Amino acid sequence: DAKTTQPNSMESNEEEPVHLPCNHSTISGTDYIHWYRQLPSQGPEYVIHGLTSNVNNRMASLAIAEDRKSSTLILHRATLRDAAVYYCIPSPTGNQFYFGTGTSLTVIP
Amino acid sequence: NAGVTQTPKFRILKIGQSMTLQCTQDMNHNYMYWYRQDPGMGLKLIYYSVGAGITDKGEVPNGYNVSRSTTEDFPLRLELAAPSQTSVYFCASGLRSAEQYFGPGTRLTVT
Repeated sequence: DAKTTQPNSMESNEEEPVHLPCNHSTISGTDYIHWYRQLPSQGPEYVIHGLTSNVNNRMASLAIAEDRKSSTLILHRATLRDAAVYYCIPSPTGNQFYFGTGTSLTVIP
Repeated sequence: NAGVTQTPKFRILKIGQSMTLQCTQDMNHNYMYWYRQDPGMGLKLIYYSVGAGITDKGEVPNGYNVSRSTTEDFPLRLELAAPSQTSVYFCASGLRSAEQYFGPGTRLTVT
């Protein structure tokens, strides 16, 4: 399983964009990059996933480096509801998810 | 749709007792998962299933058993509970393995 490095914590002002980085230098060619988030006292929530090219959905965008050794989750306008722990998970399938400790995002009103 | 439901929400067990954590999903998902989350840590996969009658071990299966007799239900059995099994347990399901929907969790304390 690929090792990941994420900042322990980040802060953002409300309504500003947030860029959450993840390094996964040992990623294999078959690993997708998944992002989940966990709001306080809740189960995790799927955010986005991708393989090589950048991906967008209604929640966020995922920018994947050309060498795939890093990726960035982009929240275009942070809201208070986006305060959560964000997990970056390289994995070939969901059957092999290894959640690390993630990045705790604080959104400042 | 109710999504993924888990019962009970909370439970206190004595060392050596057994119990079953229930998980039901009404989305007709083939994939189902059990995770545990210790305080301040990320989730660890206990068992998973890719369809009725098929289960497989995850990262931390010792001390647990599962069965999958229907698409909807994926119960997790704890035999001989130990303090090390004190944790929050999350069940998840998905149509595709990449996109998992999680239940609200069961908080278990073993004393």
